[in-house]
Amino acid sequence: AQSVAQPEDQVNVAEGNPLTVKCTYSVSGNPYLFWYVQYPNRGLQFLLKYITWDNLVKGSYGFEAEFNKSQTSFHLKKPSALVSDSALYFCAVRENSNYQLIWGAGTKLIIKP
Amino acid sequence: EAGVAQSPRYKIIEKRQSVAFWCNPISGHATLYWYQQILGQGPKLLIQFQNNGVVDDSQLPKDRFSAERLKGVDSTLKIQPAKLEDSAVYLCASSPLGGRGTDTQYFGPGTRLTVL
Repeated sequence: AQSVAQPEDQVNVAEGNPLTVKCTYSVSGNPYLFWYVQYPNRGLQFLLKYITWDNLVKGSYGFEAEFNKSQTSFHLKKPSALVSDSALYFCAVRENSNYQLIWGAGTKLIIKP
Repeated sequence: EAGVAQSPRYKIIEKRQSVAFWCNPISGHATLYWYQQILGQGPKLLIQFQNNGVVDDSQLPKDRFSAERLKGVDSTLKIQPAKLEDSAVYLCASSPLGGRGTDTQYFGPGTRLTVL
């Protein structure tokens, strides 16, 4: 069965510094991976998704994600963090048998001025 | 392009009362999902529709929860009677391609339910 792990409950970064939010996955077959962001009292917003053979995926709001097959990781990155990036970030992988999304527990990102 | 619409945004009820949530997906999206999100957790799929048919409702507590999508467009999710543990955010999402491969789900703002 597919699974996804977000090993950090919270990540703290100073404004202007690069940020990384980690995600590792376990999947049989081709991985379909997604990142979503959730701001307080808002629904989930799609950031980006992995498309086969494209190891660096660019998404919304300046975010990108690096796919690493050997490490089974799909880490979310941004070169320069903004205070407005503070939110809850979810990684998800698509289950290949029933096509449902399997969600990570979420990582709270705090960007300090 | 209009996003997924949900109403109400907030609802407070007492246990054993009933409540209904409404969702209108993005125009042209055949697949509609209802999720339950407990504070601090990832979303949990309750039910998935493809047009007006149910694809998966294996995690829907059918003794108290029901959902319908009669005309293959908007949908309602009902809880009757509500329990304290139903306090959560109920998210509706839609996707254009039936949920496979790189098909992307787009979410509404959610309904925050508090059961007292």
